Amino acid sequence: GAGVSQSPSNKVTEKGKDVELRCDPISGHTALYWYRQSLGQGLEFLIYFQGNSAPDKSGLPSDRFSAERTGGSVSTLTIQRTQQEDSAVYLCASSLDWYEQYFGPGTRLTVT
Amino acid sequence: KNQVEQSPQSLIILEGKNCTLQCNYTVSPFSNLRWYKQDTGRGPVSLTIMTFSENTKSNGRYTATLDADTKQSSLHITASQLSDSASYICVVADRGSTLGRLYFGRGTQLTVWP
Repeated sequence: GAGVSQSPSNKVTEKGKDVELRCDPISGHTALYWYRQSLGQGLEFLIYFQGNSAPDKSGLPSDRFSAERTGGSVSTLTIQRTQQEDSAVYLCASSLDWYEQYFGPGTRLTVT
Repeated sequence: KNQVEQSPQSLIILEGKNCTLQCNYTVSPFSNLRWYKQDTGRGPVSLTIMTFSENTKSNGRYTATLDADTKQSSLHITASQLSDSASYICVVADRGSTLGRLYFGRGTQLTVWP
């Protein structure tokens, strides 16, 4: 079956511009996670959606970052007024229960 | 502070050889520990997941061990293949969060040479 998909696979943007990253989770998965992976660093938790509950936003690094999940499925991570330190791979994962998270291929964001 | 430390940072071995990767964590309360394999340009893929009561789990040529008392885990790879070249990430979930808040190590970059 289809796995987690993310788009675009690569995004180059100028400093100060806004970007939107998209995640399509596995159908039926109630939980969706966003992570950031900077070069040489471990994955950093950003935000977590579970069903209709309020999202856990505790990992968002600043108020320039926001995410929404429409209809309990597709999610969009938005970064406003991008900075060079936002350059990283942004990974999305979805899960049905606590046991397993399935990751997408990631979006590589480069801020010039 | 919940942390996951991995060693070595990188490792080069010859095809056919065995190797062992290490993971130490301070995550508490502990729920489970996972090892992921991440190929370049791909998302991580789960290899093993171990709960508190499990001290070893195998997945083909991969065998993970867990010592919850010392908060250490290892991943042993047997008879390495070129396709094993990847980053191996140790991930620990805490029990205090719903559906598994995960803490990630920085990974061990394994290179297998022919």
